[in-house]
Amino acid sequence: DAKTTQPNSMESNEEEPVHLPCNHSTISGTDYIHWYRQLPSQGPEYVIHGLTSNVNNRMASLAIAEDRKSSTLILHRATLRDAAVYYCILETGTASKLTFGTGTRLQVTL
Amino acid sequence: GAGVSQTPSNKVTEKGKYVELRCDPISGHTALYWYRQSLGQGPEFLIYFQGTGAADDSGLPNDRFFAVRPEGSVSTLKIQRTERGDSAVYLCASSLNPFTGNNEQFFGPGTRLTVL
Repeated sequence: DAKTTQPNSMESNEEEPVHLPCNHSTISGTDYIHWYRQLPSQGPEYVIHGLTSNVNNRMASLAIAEDRKSSTLILHRATLRDAAVYYCILETGTASKLTFGTGTRLQVTL
Repeated sequence: GAGVSQTPSNKVTEKGKYVELRCDPISGHTALYWYRQSLGQGPEFLIYFQGTGAADDSGLPNDRFFAVRPEGSVSTLKIQRTERGDSAVYLCASSLNPFTGNNEQFFGPGTRLTVL
């Protein structure tokens, strides 16, 4: 499985935008980029995914580099409820299983 | 609507005992996954069912672990002769269409297993 690299932790102030980076230099042409997050004491929760184009949904935006070797999850206005571990995952579409790394722990402060 | 549910939420057992963990996926989801998560780590894949059959069991750590999904909905993860190293949160997820990259997986809250 192609690997992803994320910072261990990041901090943000409430109401500020947050940019969570992910490097995936060995991504293959068929890999989708998925982001999940895990709030304390809960199971992971789907956030967003994309293949080549930037994507927006009600939770976040996903910016994908032109060469697809990196991507950025953008939370437009962080709230205290966004404090979680964010996982960047590559999925081939045929493997089906998700291979989680250790993710980025996001802390949001007032 | 109802999400993925898992029972029990907590299970404490003694070393050497047998345990069963249950997962009720979202109705209509054909794919079901089991993961386990140790403290401070991301979830680790165990097994994936498509319908009633195990399509990928490459993540099961050894033959003490076994899972079934006899009618293509509810699944049971079975652990024999439990060891202290089996202590973890066991997560179940389901998805509607696992054959494309649009494979959004919906996770349950997990079962926290503690082996004393």
